[in-house]
Amino acid sequence: KAGVTQTPRYLIKTRGQQVTLSCSPISGHRSVSWYQQTPGQGLQFLFEYFSETQRNKGNFPGRFSGRQFSNSRSEMNVSTLELGDSALYLCASSLRQDTYEQYFGPGTRLTVT
Amino acid sequence: KQEVTQIPAALSVPEGENLVLNCSFTDSAIYNLQWFRQDPGKGLTSLLLIQSSQREQTSGRLNASLDKSSGRSTLYIAASQPGDSATYLCAVRGGGATNKLIFGTGTLLAVQP
Repeated sequence: KAGVTQTPRYLIKTRGQQVTLSCSPISGHRSVSWYQQTPGQGLQFLFEYFSETQRNKGNFPGRFSGRQFSNSRSEMNVSTLELGDSALYLCASSLRQDTYEQYFGPGTRLTVT
Repeated sequence: KQEVTQIPAALSVPEGENLVLNCSFTDSAIYNLQWFRQDPGKGLTSLLLIQSSQREQTSGRLNASLDKSSGRSTLYIAASQPGDSATYLCAVRGGGATNKLIFGTGTLLAVQP
């Protein structure tokens, strides 16, 4: 079974631009969560989508948004990029039932200059 | 507010040594606890998941224990190998409908050949 895939793997953007990251969950998984990882703050929860609905949201500004499609694929969008948005963005999928074990993708490395 | 702490922050051991990584959390009302491994610049690999009703889980040379009442978990690695070198992260999932994981800051492990 294929794992979680994320595209693109690397991205360089300029301050003020916007960016869209994509995540394809493991087949059959309907829950997708997004996390931001930085050296200073560690891993922080952004939001979770399940059945195309946002179920939980972390403490991030409204510039961070996401959505989920009917095939469970998810996109995350960051508008008006700031230097502090430079991070590794990780996506995780789970069945959201039974053990709720989460499986992570390789991440997208975003650099804002 | 749930807080997760991992001690030590870094650890260097000679190959073949048995070692223990520690994880503590402030709110015992957790649904499960998951241990991950992260190689530099990569995503997270799930190692073990312990449900709140369980005391321990084992996979190969890895054994994770959970003491929910005291807010502690340990990851025991037997007969360490250079390939075990990575950052180890523990994460707790709270109870209720949330699928949000709260991560510790990680332990950077180096196994010297």
